[in-house]
Amino acid sequence: NAGVMQNPRHLVRRRGQEARLRCSPMKGHSHVYWYRQLPEEGLKFMVYLQKENIIDESGMPKERFSAEFPKEGPSILRIQQVVRGDSAAYFCASSPPRTDGIQYFGAGTRLSVL
Amino acid sequence: QKEVEQNSGPLSVPEGAIASLNCTYSDRGSQSFFWYRQYSGKSPELIMFIYSNGDKEDGRFTAQLNKASQYVSLLIRDSQPSDSATYLCAVNSDRNDYKLSFGAGTTVTVRA
Repeated sequence: NAGVMQNPRHLVRRRGQEARLRCSPMKGHSHVYWYRQLPEEGLKFMVYLQKENIIDESGMPKERFSAEFPKEGPSILRIQQVVRGDSAAYFCASSPPRTDGIQYFGAGTRLSVL
Repeated sequence: QKEVEQNSGPLSVPEGAIASLNCTYSDRGSQSFFWYRQYSGKSPELIMFIYSNGDKEDGRFTAQLNKASQYVSLLIRDSQPSDSATYLCAVNSDRNDYKLSFGAGTTVTVRA
């Protein structure tokens, strides 16, 4: 049973470009969460999605950031017009419908903005 | 005030000793508490979860929870060099049990 799969592992973008981060949840998991980890800081919740629904995006910046989890395919975190402050590790986690808070994390995508 | 606070460390312990990690949280209604281990450049790995006051033991790990004091700790007995990592404390929100709030992590180094 494969774990949470994220790709790419490393992504380099120049300022103003778009970054697309992908996440495939564990088999049988229908809930996906995105977190951002800045250096020397803890993981910060960004968004919680179920298939075709955004449940909670309270942690997402209001501009430039969007997320989706389509009926088919991986969840996508999209950052438009990236800036240097977007450089961070972005982690995806997944859980089954009944979770008691337990989430399983992917290996993360490390975004570097030049 | 941060929602979840941990001593950043680094915490250095000799091999075979007990490593003690502490975590306090601000949301009194929190119900679920988690410890994740994160090796440098890797994903957080769940090692313990606890929901009720008291102690919970799993192998060399013991989680301790005191909701009245809003305090949760992790003890690592017989520490091994492979335990050297950053340990993240995570707490769920009362209203939204999916939203985990993480501390900044405590870095542990086990000296051989």
